[in-house]
Amino acid sequence: AQSVSQHNHHVILSEAASLELGCNYSYGGTVNLFWYVQYPGQHLQLLLKYFSGDPLVKGIKGFEAEFIKSKFSFNLRKPSVQWSDTAEYFCAVNAGDYKLSFGAGTTVTVRA
Amino acid sequence: DTAVSQTPKYLVTQMGNDKSIKCEQNLGHDTMYWYKQDSKKFLKIMFSYNNKELIINETVPNRFSPKSPDKAHLNLHINSLELGDSAVYFCASSRGRQSRPYGYTFGSGTRLTVV
Repeated sequence: AQSVSQHNHHVILSEAASLELGCNYSYGGTVNLFWYVQYPGQHLQLLLKYFSGDPLVKGIKGFEAEFIKSKFSFNLRKPSVQWSDTAEYFCAVNAGDYKLSFGAGTTVTVRA
Repeated sequence: DTAVSQTPKYLVTQMGNDKSIKCEQNLGHDTMYWYKQDSKKFLKIMFSYNNKELIINETVPNRFSPKSPDKAHLNLHINSLELGDSAVYFCASSRGRQSRPYGYTFGSGTRLTVV
């Protein structure tokens, strides 16, 4: 069965610092990859997605992610975080079977 | 207009009760889902319907029964509620039967607390 691993459980950083969240998946076939963000008390919102093409994907709010097929990774980055980026971040994988399998999530806390 | 709407937003109930959560989407999507988010924020799929047909049924107790009267609605009925059912339940929808949905649109969640 496919699985999704997020390396960091909780990341704490200061405003203007750079952020990188790791995500690895175990499925060997064609996958669709997503990053979602969940602000405190809110629903999940799509940050960005990768289906095919350019492995560097740009999303909303200044986020980007890079798909490295050989490493089965889809890491999320943001060059300079803001206090408003405090949220839970979820990597998710769809392997062509409707299901969206989520990682355990990474809590990001940005200190002002 | 809310794309995926769930009701109620909060639900507090006693053990043993039966309750329902409703979900409606106005996006014209063909597929709808129920996800459960536990206290550790872990998200796991429970059910999925495509055009009113059940296509995903994960290992979920029989006390949980989904129902899709039409492709815009997906309800979740829970019998004999237990403390462990306390969680946030998210409804979601996606377009198409193909394996490449454009993305899933999530509702705002229903926080169920069983006391």
